[in-house]
Amino acid sequence: AQKITQTQPGMFVQEKEAVTLDCTYDTSDQSYGLFWYKQPSSGEMIFLIYQGSYDEQNATEGRYSLNFQKARKSANLVISASQLGDSAMYFCAMREGSPGNTPLVFGKGTRLSVIA
Amino acid sequence: DAGVIQSPRHEVTEMGQEVTLRCKPISGHDYLFWYRQTMMRGLELLIYFNNNVPIDDSGMPEDRFSAKMPNASFSTLKIQPSEPRDSAVYFCASSLGPGPQHFGDGTRLSIL
Repeated sequence: AQKITQTQPGMFVQEKEAVTLDCTYDTSDQSYGLFWYKQPSSGEMIFLIYQGSYDEQNATEGRYSLNFQKARKSANLVISASQLGDSAMYFCAMREGSPGNTPLVFGKGTRLSVIA
Repeated sequence: DAGVIQSPRHEVTEMGQEVTLRCKPISGHDYLFWYRQTMMRGLELLIYFNNNVPIDDSGMPEDRFSAKMPNASFSTLKIQPSEPRDSAVYFCASSLGPGPQHFGDGTRLSIL
């Protein structure tokens, strides 16, 4: 079974509008971390936001927020006030276990296109 | 502050040649990860190190692949001999403890 599922291969959003990118995950661990990365057409992977499984508040970083619903095992990324520069691939990823760091497991990604 | 530095950015070589990819992690980071990205398989882990020691290399495709981390500021991923199916983007990432992994710009490898 896939550990990270991103069901939207591609999405369009109007500039200045908000958009939600879906991510569901599968784990039996109690301690895990959820991440979102942005990959523009230039190819680099840019870390956006992190949510720990024990964090009670939803994570926010500027225009990015993570809608964490633990019971539903979902970790959706919300981008507010979309900009043309937000057009990119977005990957949801999970790290299981602790302490220390462990490899990320990535979803297949969602391609976001922002329209002027 | 400098991020993760990978070299080369692009590599084109013929099948059978040895390929060496290089990575300089962020100073002070104690974890280093090598990932590979292909259209078919997406992003997948190859190997990762903690304090220069390999922890899990189960993602390394076969004996043609090897990785080393001789010190805290340098790692290599070597493919010998290379094959066309090794063509991919190879990413190096580093982190401090359980913190977020920060990726380099990647090496786009093409094996002809």
